[in-house]
Amino acid sequence: DAGVIQSPRHEVTEMGQEVTLRCKPISGHDYLFWYRQTMMRGLELLIYFNNNVPIDDSGMPEDRFSAKMPNASFSTLKIQPSEPRDSAVYFCASSSNRGIHGYTFGSGTRLTVV
Amino acid sequence: TQLLEQSPQFLSIQEGENLTVYCNSSSVFSSLQWYRQEPGEGPVLLVTVVTGGEVKKLKRLTFQFGDARKDSSLHITAAQPGDTGLYLCAGDNSGGSNYKLTFGKGTLLTVNP
Repeated sequence: DAGVIQSPRHEVTEMGQEVTLRCKPISGHDYLFWYRQTMMRGLELLIYFNNNVPIDDSGMPEDRFSAKMPNASFSTLKIQPSEPRDSAVYFCASSSNRGIHGYTFGSGTRLTVV
Repeated sequence: TQLLEQSPQFLSIQEGENLTVYCNSSSVFSSLQWYRQEPGEGPVLLVTVVTGGEVKKLKRLTFQFGDARKDSSLHITAAQPGDTGLYLCAGDNSGGSNYKLTFGKGTLLTVNP
């Protein structure tokens, strides 16, 4: 398996633009997580899905953020409109067995909003 | 307030030295995991501890879960430059009903040759 695949690896955009981050989880994993990592706040859980259904989105900062999982092999995290304070590394992770064997993370998307 | 406090935040040592990093909380965790993250990559799982007092060894790394399941430590013997990275602890404190991991901010370890 190629692991969790995220795209793009780097994204630079102007304030106010829409940004879409993409994730392909490991086949057979039924949990998918979106995290954001900054120096100040560390890794923060934004939202997670179980069997493509959003379970907990309490970490989503505000209405500008939205996430979807239309099928078991694809998820998106969208920011509209983007702001400089959204600059961070965004990670997608997937797991099976409710994560008791750990999460598998993608390599992340480094987002810079100027 | 961070649910999981990791210390020290930064650690720089020479190759061959021993070190211990800590992960503390006031909450009880059903399980606790340790990850290592290298620059430009996502965290990679090292170990999961579940039982209070549990000790697990992974080559030169020794992980311990506190008796009360509120804290954990990671000890590295004879550190090598390849051990350099950000060490993160993560716990589930939902009682197992709503599994999601909360991460500490990590300890950034640098092992100098």
